Amino acid sequence: ETGVTQSPTHLIKTRGQQVTLRCSSQSGHNTVSWYQQALGQGPQFIFQYYREEENGRGNFPPRFSGLQFPNYSSELNVNALELDDSALYLCASSTQQGRGYEQYFGPGTRLTVT
Amino acid sequence: AQKVTQAQTEISVVEKEDVTLDCVYETRDTTYYLFWYKQPPSGELVFLIRRNSFDEQNEISGRYSWNFQKSTSSFNFTITASQVVDSAVYFCALSEAPGNQFYFGTGTSLTVIP
Repeated sequence: ETGVTQSPTHLIKTRGQQVTLRCSSQSGHNTVSWYQQALGQGPQFIFQYYREEENGRGNFPPRFSGLQFPNYSSELNVNALELDDSALYLCASSTQQGRGYEQYFGPGTRLTVT
Repeated sequence: AQKVTQAQTEISVVEKEDVTLDCVYETRDTTYYLFWYKQPPSGELVFLIRRNSFDEQNEISGRYSWNFQKSTSSFNFTITASQVVDSAVYFCALSEAPGNQFYFGTGTSLTVIP
């Protein structure tokens, strides 16, 4: 196990609702990245947080937002949920700003939007 | 453009056979990092290896070996004497400078038949 935890494990929401997913990074890691993995696809980068600041963003709309807290844990918020948001959401932590360093992934949160 | 291509969608082998998973990447950076991750049915991505662009040495770890060839932009992964526990989806990923996001391939689903 990596020491990266995510909650909840599973979530079912209705289109138009809002959702918050949580991630606790591995001890000693100050960088958290979020990825969306649709069924049968590879993870897609949403954004990264380093020392509580957004440090890079993938091709996701502004209704995907996040936070990082002083203890380096993080939240992913998604507003106005759409059916296509149904996916496995993965959180990954790393030791530095992450350049070139491996990221350690949590077990993910399975979000279903109906 | 797809930065990481895993052309093999699914592979099935009989236990004890050797199997090679292909990964081709695309980048204009001279400094970059390549990774392999394993995703068992539980969903958590497990880090296997990191290789930086300056180190073309092949690496062996137990039954696993990796062949990095810059000339062909490939980073292939071989499992020797496969076992049922190797059944999983394997992802190749690329990290470029600047920034830290990982670009994942679409994954190769490996099934080892007893």
